Amino acid sequence: EVQLLESGGGLVQPGGSLRLSCAASGFTFSSYAMTWVRRAPGKGLEWISTINRGGNTYYAGSVKGRFTISRDDSKNTLYLRMDSLRAEDTAVYYCAKDSPTLHWFEAWGQGTLITVSS
Amino acid sequence: EIVMTQSPATLSVSPGERATLSCRASQSFSTNLAWYQQKPGQAPRLLIYATSTRATGIPARFSGSGSGTEFTLTISSLQSDDFAVYYCQQYHNWPLTFGGGTKVEIK
Repeated sequence: EVQLLESGGGLVQPGGSLRLSCAASGFTFSSYAMTWVRRAPGKGLEWISTINRGGNTYYAGSVKGRFTISRDDSKNTLYLRMDSLRAEDTAVYYCAKDSPTLHWFEAWGQGTLITVSS
Repeated sequence: EIVMTQSPATLSVSPGERATLSCRASQSFSTNLAWYQQKPGQAPRLLIYATSTRATGIPARFSGSGSGTEFTLTISSLQSDDFAVYYCQQYHNWPLTFGGGTKVEIK
């Protein structure tokens, strides 16, 4: 059974930094692209970033230059380093497992809440 | 960027009735579209990919169709478990984008 478990959420001040982790199990982690998606309060889903098997990365314009996605295949773990956080980054952050071929998301974690506030 | 627009924002339906949710893309593409269901406090769940292929374990009452710029998710006979928010997502090109969601509520 595929399991994705996010951690690292919490309260952070504007301008601060945070690193999220997503521990994966139940599948061959190194064989799949992985993605971060967020949902801000009262809003819909927003794609944030994807890292493919080869380590190529893709970012939404809203986070490019501030967020960094990475992966450690030896630890079956996905990361999201978030710098220069803003109030509008407040959201539940989900990690997701991409399909084997294209970028739809066939499994999701339960999410971790980030609140950016002073 | 491909902008995905879902309509209506809210759909009020009685149990047992049919629900039709729309998703419109700002640019045309073939079949690179997925649908997700999200209930309060839960993670999203994949329903449909490649426009019309049901994900593993998804009941046959869920179906997807469309191409170009117009896509549709149909729930043939709504069950109590189906009241949720539904999102479409294009994976035709970067950046990946979601629609704003359609909330299906009990009438």
